[in-house]
Amino acid sequence: DQQVKQNSPSLSVQEGRISILNCDYTNSMFDYFLWYKKYPAEGPTFLISISSIKDKNEDGRFTVFLNKSAKHLSLHIVPSQPGDSAVYFCAASARWAGNNRKLIWGLGTSLGVNP
Amino acid sequence: NAGVTQTPKFQVLKTGQSMTLQCAQDMNHNSMYWYRQDPGMGLRLIYYSASEGTTDKGEVPNGYNVSRLNKREFSLRLESAAPSQTSVYFCASSPKGGGITDTQYFGPGTRLTVL
Repeated sequence: DQQVKQNSPSLSVQEGRISILNCDYTNSMFDYFLWYKKYPAEGPTFLISISSIKDKNEDGRFTVFLNKSAKHLSLHIVPSQPGDSAVYFCAASARWAGNNRKLIWGLGTSLGVNP
Repeated sequence: NAGVTQTPKFQVLKTGQSMTLQCAQDMNHNSMYWYRQDPGMGLRLIYYSASEGTTDKGEVPNGYNVSRLNKREFSLRLESAAPSQTSVYFCASSPKGGGITDTQYFGPGTRLTVL
C-alpha cells in the first residue's frame, strides 16, 4: 500500500510555462516532505523540502505547497526549462527505530519540458 | 569531491552467485543507506547505518547483508542471488541520520540483473 502517491506517471509542458507536480500521502505522522529530481543513469538529487508546520517553501524557480488537511503537496516550477526534464520523486520523512528517520518514496513523475 | 560513488555500475549474475556492491562517500557523513528501486515500487530501504559501527534493517532486508567498513564505506552483499533481486541499487549518505532536515545524497546506482 503506497503511503506516498504520485498519481501522474508523466507530465509534458511547454518551455516557459508552469509545471505542477502533485503528491498525496496517507500517514498523518509524516512531518517533513522532500522533492528529489532524477536524471537517467544518475541517483536522485535533493531539490526542495518543507516542514509540516509550513504551507509554502520557495527556492528560486521552485515552490512547494503543503495542504495538511488534504494530505497533499505540490511542486511548482516557474518558468519551466528544458533542463528540468527529469523524474521527480516526492518523499515523506517518518521516525524509524527510535530517533532515526526514514524516507517513504512515491513512484515518481516524469516531466518533459518541450522547447 | 566525488560525493557518493558506487561500484560496479552494471552486473549480471546467475542465480545462486554471490557479490558485494561497494559504496563510498567523501563528505564525512555519519549515516549511510542502501535502497533498491523496482518498477512500480518506488525506492525501498534495504539497510542503513546511522553511524560508524552500527547497522540496522530497513523495509526489505531479506537476502542481503551489509558492512559499515569505516565512516566512508558501506557495502551490500548478496550471498545467494535470486531473480527477485534484479533491481537498481542506490547507496546514499546523510550528515546526521536522525535529524528531521537531514538530506540524503545519492550515488549513481548499480543496475543488477540476476538470471
